[in-house]
Amino acid sequence: KQEVTQIPAALSVPEGENLVLNCSFTDSAIYNLQWFRQDPGKGLTSLLLIQSSQREQTSGRLNASLDKSSGRSTLYIAASQPGDSATYLCAVPPGGTSYGKLTFGQGTILTVHP
Amino acid sequence: GAVVSQHPSRVICKSGTSVKIECRSLDFQATTMFWYRQFPKKSLMLMATSNEGSKATYEQGVEKDKFLINHASLTLSTLTVTSAHPEDSSFYICSASLTGGGYEQYFGPGTRLTVT
Repeated sequence: KQEVTQIPAALSVPEGENLVLNCSFTDSAIYNLQWFRQDPGKGLTSLLLIQSSQREQTSGRLNASLDKSSGRSTLYIAASQPGDSATYLCAVPPGGTSYGKLTFGQGTILTVHP
Repeated sequence: GAVVSQHPSRVICKSGTSVKIECRSLDFQATTMFWYRQFPKKSLMLMATSNEGSKATYEQGVEKDKFLINHASLTLSTLTVTSAHPEDSSFYICSASLTGGGYEQYFGPGTRLTVT
């Protein structure tokens, strides 16, 4: 059974800092990994999706890397802003399939203060 | 990008009544939709996979007679919480993929259900 763990559970940083969120998964036979953002009381916004054949994906100030062999992914946020405050979730489909039945990590609650 | 909507966004109902939540893919067709449940300050847990034109596949521990799922068209899936009880109060989120798998999932805004 796939298990996904995110570290740290919570992070508070001053505006402008670069930061790294970590995600690990137990079954490395994944087809892709997705990072999401969730604002309080809201749904999920997809940030980045990395296919297993890729090592990283970039979107603006966000960069996500994937190391399948070690079962890890990181989300790097550059020059953080108060608007980045949210919960960040990583998720993977079951090992060995590309089917979209996602298993989520517990999330990292990010607070960026001015 | 692909947009998924949910209706209602919030609902309060009395214990013993049934509540229907709709999930729509607005600008794409979704053969498969997924229903998740999220408890306060917890992550999402998959409840069931909804396949257009066939029966939903439920995750272990999810009562299929309590959480009725219907996926009658390629753009609409519904979740009905039957005979709701306070412990069913939760945040319910649906998602849909552009294809059967291996691609991004797009999530709805969620429905906050409160059972009094």
